[in-house]
Amino acid sequence: GAGVSQTPSNKVTEKGKYVELRCDPISGHTALYWYRQSLGQGPEFLIYFQGTGAADDSGLPNDRFFAVRPEGSVSTLKIQRTERGDSAVYLCASSVQGGDTEAFFGQGTRLTVV
Amino acid sequence: DQQVKQNSPSLSVQEGRISILNCDYTNSMFDYFLWYKKYPAEGPTFLISISSIKDKNEDGRFTVFLNKSAKHLSLHIVPSQPGDSAVYFCAQGDAGGTSYGKLTFGQGTILTVHP
Repeated sequence: GAGVSQTPSNKVTEKGKYVELRCDPISGHTALYWYRQSLGQGPEFLIYFQGTGAADDSGLPNDRFFAVRPEGSVSTLKIQRTERGDSAVYLCASSVQGGDTEAFFGQGTRLTVV
Repeated sequence: DQQVKQNSPSLSVQEGRISILNCDYTNSMFDYFLWYKKYPAEGPTFLISISSIKDKNEDGRFTVFLNKSAKHLSLHIVPSQPGDSAVYFCAQGDAGGTSYGKLTFGQGTILTVHP
């Protein structure tokens, strides 16, 4: 595709439910990142994939959060037992190979936990 | 610890004048800095970058200055245009060695350019 695509654009869920957020990176990009942006803050790093493997998941806040990228392309961020504090915009970015190659961001998924 | 701070939440300038956005960082180990621009309901868009071997990088109306001794960088937009109104994020990354491009972002500055 032309850019990084994230679905859904908006997601409202009830506290305690499970959600999945999807990211379609730019074709051919091996590096994929998930960030979370809370209101009034900059994006905060969650996890980085190089190909299929999660090379760095140090930003995941707790074990309710998990992400996969089984074929080295599409990635899914999974949140179990959602809490109101999980409400934020979840951003996905991809780059050709990581490092200082430019990272392109998707439009984000706005998650609201009620 | 790696911290990036943008101490001005907002900035308002007149069209045609200069906009100066500032950013401070704490960890000199990470040697690559970027500015991103973000419109509402869109993801951040890369604007300009600079590595620590330089103290200035220019791209059209946008210039980034890096002062390593002060651990400070700034983005200058000249002349400012109403379409520049957006949230601007400063980010720091590690571009060398085993780096993979993980970025640490500042809180953002809302720029408003008045016609």
